[in-house]
Amino acid sequence: QLQLQESGPGLVKPSETLSLTCTVSGGSINSSSHYWGWLRQSPGKGLEWIGSFYYSGSTQDNPSLKSRVTISADTSKNQFSLKLSSVTVADTAVYYCARQEEGPLDHWGQGTLVTVSS
Amino acid sequence: EIVLTQSPATLSLSPGERATLSCRASQSVSRYLAWYQQKPGQAPRLLIHDASNRATGIPARFSGSGSGTDFTLTISSLEPEDFAVYYCQQRSNWPGVTFGGGTKVEIK
Repeated sequence: QLQLQESGPGLVKPSETLSLTCTVSGGSINSSSHYWGWLRQSPGKGLEWIGSFYYSGSTQDNPSLKSRVTISADTSKNQFSLKLSSVTVADTAVYYCARQEEGPLDHWGQGTLVTVSS
Repeated sequence: EIVLTQSPATLSLSPGERATLSCRASQSVSRYLAWYQQKPGQAPRLLIHDASNRATGIPARFSGSGSGTDFTLTISSLEPEDFAVYYCQQRSNWPGVTFGGGTKVEIK
């Protein structure tokens, strides 16, 4: 059974870089059938797509985040990661990783709360 | 960017009643629309994809319909575990996706 698990610091200071890792078990991120995505959810902005990784190494991210996003993967560990630079209080949210079929997101991690505060 | 508008914001119903949730897109999304259920403290769970296809393990009381700009999620007879928030999602810039603002189904 496919499982995803987010990990990383729960508290980040303003202007610093948020770093999260998603560990996938029960399936491989080296799959031509899926993208692997990062999303977040905050009370003010609802559910928001951050960016996605494809096994070929290509990535795409949400233009609204103004090039602050870096997504990478370590296929040997079956993990993919998110870095969000220059964070502000507005980046406080629950962050999720998810597997993307061609359209829907069919498996999600449990989510991790990241608070931006000094 | 395609905007998804969900209505109503809150639906107050009793167990056993029928729930009808609406999602309207600002432009046609063909049938590329999905529905999710989210309970407090949990991640969203995929219910319906491609407008009307139930995801694996989803009970038959959940059904989806629509195409183009107007979509409906119907729960034929509410069970206690169905009281939650429901979101619609479209994939016009896949892998980029956007979500509606959600409909909360609460116990009357």
